[in-house]
Amino acid sequence: GIQVEQSPPDLILQEGANSTLRCNFSDSVNNLQWFHQNPWGQLINLFYIPSGTKQNGRLSATTVATERYSLLYISSSQTTDSGVYFCAVERGRHNFNKFYFGSGTKLNVKP
Amino acid sequence: EAGVTQFPSHSVIEKGQTVTLRCDPISGHDNLYWYRRVMGKEIKFLLHFVKESKQDESGMPNNRFLAERTGGTYSTLKVQPAELEDSGVYFCASSHGAAGGGYEQYFGPGTRLTVT
Repeated sequence: GIQVEQSPPDLILQEGANSTLRCNFSDSVNNLQWFHQNPWGQLINLFYIPSGTKQNGRLSATTVATERYSLLYISSSQTTDSGVYFCAVERGRHNFNKFYFGSGTKLNVKP
Repeated sequence: EAGVTQFPSHSVIEKGQTVTLRCDPISGHDNLYWYRRVMGKEIKFLLHFVKESKQDESGMPNNRFLAERTGGTYSTLKVQPAELEDSGVYFCASSHGAAGGGYEQYFGPGTRLTVT
């Protein structure tokens, strides 16, 4: 399979702070998505970003496919940003569509 | 456009009982996937349907798990008999496209399964 490593594993922020989450992967990918798992366990799709840069409000993401990493930026963090952030990739060069997930970054934003 | 829906949202059963989870993908999506997150670990792939056919079931943990997608629409995942280690959150996802991949996967809200 493909190895997906996320860092840091845990992150504690004060409300209003900025943060960068990283996702490294070991092979070429067709697809990369970032998710936020909220306290109720639901997976919220943040970005579909196999390459390039996207922004959505206080969140933005960049994937450098040639260097096999992606970054998720959270600016002006809020307590509602707390939860686990997952990166998931789909391998390139194969006709398989399954995702490989990283182990997640657990974010705790304190008021 | 309605998103991926899953039923039930939460199920509590005793060890040895049977549970059936249901997933309704986004209309028109040929690809349907099941994943699960157990014991706070990584989210792992279970299987992938293209229409009604099982494209990849390499992630199914054992023969206590049976997935079906009759008619290529909704899918069910049955666990029989359930064991304690089956507790976790089961996610369903769907996407457009055929072989080759690269399509965005849309996830449902998940079913939280608790086996006591």
